[in-house]
Amino acid sequence: GQQLNQSPQSMFIQEGEDVSMNCTSSSIFNTWLWYKQDPGEGPVLLIALYKAGELTSNGRLTAQFGITRKDSFLNISASIPSDVGIYFCAGINSGGSNYKLTFGKGTLLTVNP
Amino acid sequence: ETGVTQTPRHLVMGMTNKKSLKCEQHLGHNAMYWYKQSAKKPLELMFVYNFKEQTENNSVPSRFSPECPNSSHLFLHLHTLQPEDSALYLCASSGGRGAVYGYTFGSGTRLTVV
Repeated sequence: GQQLNQSPQSMFIQEGEDVSMNCTSSSIFNTWLWYKQDPGEGPVLLIALYKAGELTSNGRLTAQFGITRKDSFLNISASIPSDVGIYFCAGINSGGSNYKLTFGKGTLLTVNP
Repeated sequence: ETGVTQTPRHLVMGMTNKKSLKCEQHLGHNAMYWYKQSAKKPLELMFVYNFKEQTENNSVPSRFSPECPNSSHLFLHLHTLQPEDSALYLCASSGGRGAVYGYTFGSGTRLTVV
């Protein structure tokens, strides 16, 4: 099946720092999504991207749909302790089922106050 | 509350027990999904239901038996599980355009098989 390579696997940062994580694929995706999972909870959708080159913000979060349609990144500015969690990228593969998301393995973010 | 409710939140069961996980969505979605999330592994898709018909079984062992009586409810019946089946089981739903607007996940059931 399709694979999404998400990096880094984990990050340890100080409160106030900016964070960047990304996802790459060997195939083209039509839709990119970014989720956050708090400990003991299910993932929650943060940002959805639908067009190559699209740059979308949600508060301190900014995500971009790569021009090649094979990658996406998520930036978090001025991190705060509640940003702790696992961040997943996900996408709908071009030519694949619209009902099936492919997920990255996640980036575990730890923020030291 | 996300609109997708999973019960129970935690479950401990022996390998010879039979139990069921329940998922209910109040979003008017037509597709529902079961995912397994193990430590240090990516989210694993188990089953997909669309308008209560199963459209995908991702080579899941028969000791996991899904049931979707209507578009709002999804069950996962468990029997003779193994310790390696211990994981967080997540239910999700999506609307008329599939996953285009993303899935809405429940909070999950933390399953421990002893």
